[in-house]
Amino acid sequence: EIVLTQTPLSSPVTLGQPASFSCRSSQSLVDGYGNTFLNWLQQRPGQPPRLLIYKVSNRFSGVPDRFSGSGAGTDFTLEISKVEAEDVGVYFCVQGTQLPYTFGQGTKLEIK
Amino acid sequence: EAQLVESGGGFVHSGESLRLSCAASGFSASSKYMIWVRQAPGKGLEWVSVIHHGDITGYADSVRGRFVVSRDDSKNTMYLQMRSLRADDTAMYYCASSVTTPGGFDSWGQGTLVTVSS
Repeated sequence: EIVLTQTPLSSPVTLGQPASFSCRSSQSLVDGYGNTFLNWLQQRPGQPPRLLIYKVSNRFSGVPDRFSGSGAGTDFTLEISKVEAEDVGVYFCVQGTQLPYTFGQGTKLEIK
Repeated sequence: EAQLVESGGGFVHSGESLRLSCAASGFSASSKYMIWVRQAPGKGLEWVSVIHHGDITGYADSVRGRFVVSRDDSKNTMYLQMRSLRADDTAMYYCASSVTTPGGFDSWGQGTLVTVSS
């Protein structure tokens, strides 16, 4: 089973400042066809998860461009260029390369 | 617009069964990867099962042998039959699908709550 480790677990950020979240995989997430199925989800309080980024760096429709994803192989990053109040919540990375699909434990974004 | 609506959650006792439904609209679920994900109270997300074209299925170790995922294409609905429920199955159960993105699980339902009393 692929283990995803997210750091930090909590991230207090000042409004308007950047935020960065890390997701490290226990093994490469590249499949036999060269695809890397590493996605980032946002879960606001009391809401279901919502897709932000798919396949490492592709922003999903309707997601603000202040969100960006990067990385390769086993190390991935989600960045928010300027945090807004509506960004409060928990951010999860999830891999769909290999069964069982697995989630990181989540990083909680809070406003200072 | 793609939409997923879960139903069937409730309160049961340990050892009992429950069947969850995930009704899809705005797209054909038969051609998409569909998954179940659960979230215990105050905890993170846990993948439970997947079903995709050809009725290929997969399960987390924690539910294999107790849960069965299926699909009724005529109703555009996915199901999760849960048997021998345990207290640690207590969670909000979400269904999700990769409707427009490859492997992105871009559409999520609002969830249905399952509570198992020991």
